[in-house]
Order: sequence, then structure tokens, then C-alpha cells
Amino acid sequence: QVQLQESGPGLVKPSETLSLTCAVSGYSISTGYYWGWIRQPPGKGLEWIGSIHHSGSTYYNPSLKSRVTISIDTSKNQFSLELSSVAAADTAVYFCARERSFDWLSLDYWGQGTLVTVSS
Amino acid sequence: EIVLTQSPGTLSLSPGERATLSCRASQSVSSNYLAWYQQKPGQAPRLLMYGASSRATGIPDRFSGSGSGTDFALTIRRLEPEDFAVYYCQHYGSSPRLTFGGGTKVEIK
Repeated sequence: QVQLQESGPGLVKPSETLSLTCAVSGYSISTGYYWGWIRQPPGKGLEWIGSIHHSGSTYYNPSLKSRVTISIDTSKNQFSLELSSVAAADTAVYFCARERSFDWLSLDYWGQGTLVTVSS
Repeated sequence: EIVLTQSPGTLSLSPGERATLSCRASQSVSSNYLAWYQQKPGQAPRLLMYGASSRATGIPDRFSGSGSGTDFALTIRRLEPEDFAVYYCQHYGSSPRLTFGGGTKVEIK
């Protein structure tokens, strides 16, 4: 059973960098697929942030591209998100997910999500 | 950029009734690239349908998807108590790679 678990600080100060990690179990991320980050502001809808392949290939949402870096560590079977220069509008639940890029073209396994609040 | 518009915003129905949710794309898309998710409060979204009409693993057959071009639908044949939730459609494209609709809340009448 594939499981994903997000971790990282729940509170980040404005203008600082948000950093989250997604640990994957039950599947080796080196095997394939893309691995992505999605966020959901409180009471609002879903926004895709970006995705990464074990080869290091990345795709980012153009609206966030200038502030986002996604990296992968196959030795630890995890991938990470950094979002710089955060503001209150970046307050959201951040989810990581497995992206079925080559067949289902959707996100089939998700982490439970972690709330990140941007506040001084 | 493909924009997905879901309607209605809220659907008030009773258990046992049929629910039909709409997802309209701003331009024609391949049905292969259209998915649906269910999200309950405090939980992550769950993949229901991919390729517009294929059920994901473990999804009951009361859920069905249809559509082509710009108009897609998710139908829940007979609502069970656990089906009351928010539903999102999603397109897999080029830039951005994934986009979501604004969601439809199915609430108990």
C-alpha cells in the first residue's frame, strides 16, 4: 500500500521560505511516476504547485514558478517543496501526491495534508 | 490555460437520490485528460474517475463519469450517506500541468 506523509513547520513568517518534505512508503520513487505538491487555502479549492520525476525533471505552476523549488532524494524515498518569500496568501493545507503521468493522468495516492500558516 | 468551471456550486439532495455534477472546460479537451475527486472535511481528495469515465480502484459502480469536448459530468446513481462531500474535476494539460475546477458541494437536503 502506497503511503505519503508530509512533514515540516506549521508556522512560517512572512517573507521567509516554506519547506516541506513528503516521505513515501510502499513504493520506490525511483521506479517511476511523477510526485507532486498541491495546496488548498482554508475553505477554498485545490491548486497544483508542481511535480518532479526521479530523474529530476520538474514542472511548476507558472503562477508560482518564480518562488518554487521541488527536489527529490531517492536514497530516502522522499521529495521536498520549498516556497520562498511567503505571504499570508500562501497559508494553506499542503498535500503531496503521486502523479500518474503516463496512464491515468491524475493523482492516485495523496498524503493527509499539513496546514502551514504564514504569520508573524 | 484550460479553465474548468463546475456547477452547481452546491447541490442539496437526499440519500437515495441521483446526483449529476457538471464540469465545463474553457476549450475542448481530450476525455483522457479529465479526472474527478471526492473530498470530505479534513481529508485529502480521493481519486474517483480518470479518463472521464474509468473508475479508480475500489470506487463503487454507483459513480459514473461521462462527457467529451468541453462538457463532462459525474453522476452518483443513488446517494449514500458517505457520498456527501465536495467533488472536484481536474484536467491534465501542458501549462499548467494540472488544473482543478472550483468544486461542487453535495450536501444533505
